[in-house]
Amino acid sequence: GESVGLHLPTLSVQEGDNSIINCAYSNSASDYFIWYKQESGKGPQFIIDIRSNMDKRQGQRVTVLLNKTVKHLSLQIAATQPGDSAVYFCAENRSGGSNYKLTFGKGTLLTVNP
Amino acid sequence: DTAVSQTPKYLVTQMGNDKSIKCEQNLGHDTMYWYKQDSKKFLKIMFSYNNKELIINETVPNRFSPKSPDKAHLNLHINSLELGDSAVYFCASSPGVGGSYEQYFGPGTRLTVT
Repeated sequence: GESVGLHLPTLSVQEGDNSIINCAYSNSASDYFIWYKQESGKGPQFIIDIRSNMDKRQGQRVTVLLNKTVKHLSLQIAATQPGDSAVYFCAENRSGGSNYKLTFGKGTLLTVNP
Repeated sequence: DTAVSQTPKYLVTQMGNDKSIKCEQNLGHDTMYWYKQDSKKFLKIMFSYNNKELIINETVPNRFSPKSPDKAHLNLHINSLELGDSAVYFCASSPGVGGSYEQYFGPGTRLTVT
């Protein structure tokens, strides 16, 4: 399968279940966070973002939770569908210095079983 | 109505050759980026341009030279290709400078150096 050799964290769920993908960030000065979805053979696609003055934001079937105390970000996908199978990345904007770039996390491979 | 496009999608070449990858965005964005994604799916920024001006230049070998003829285009030229350059290269764009904007990614160019 695609995950062989990738050493990515993986999450396997049944269709219809809820999925939770976690991300830890290191810089307490980070003030903007994005979740991206990357399907096989495609570029990353924006899912949802959140700024540090919020702790929760909801989209269509997705919710992002931000816990600044422990520097943790999670993406919840409700009623997971086979089309949700992809690699999910969190990205943070590290304030200070040039403040120009997003830094991407390692990625989590989500596999949805029908 | 492709937003961010890259050519070619696949590029196979031999060590020592020089090659270019082209990127165009029709979103009217001011800022464009080049990212490199390795075999472990790790996504790392290489360069960023804002209004044709270089604003991010990560520690990338100087064999890599980006060129932005106008706001809508950011090309990547690579001299003396090495095996370690094999990766997927993504172009992206965003409405403004800074990491606090959603970035729109192209479909990627898979470069294989033999």
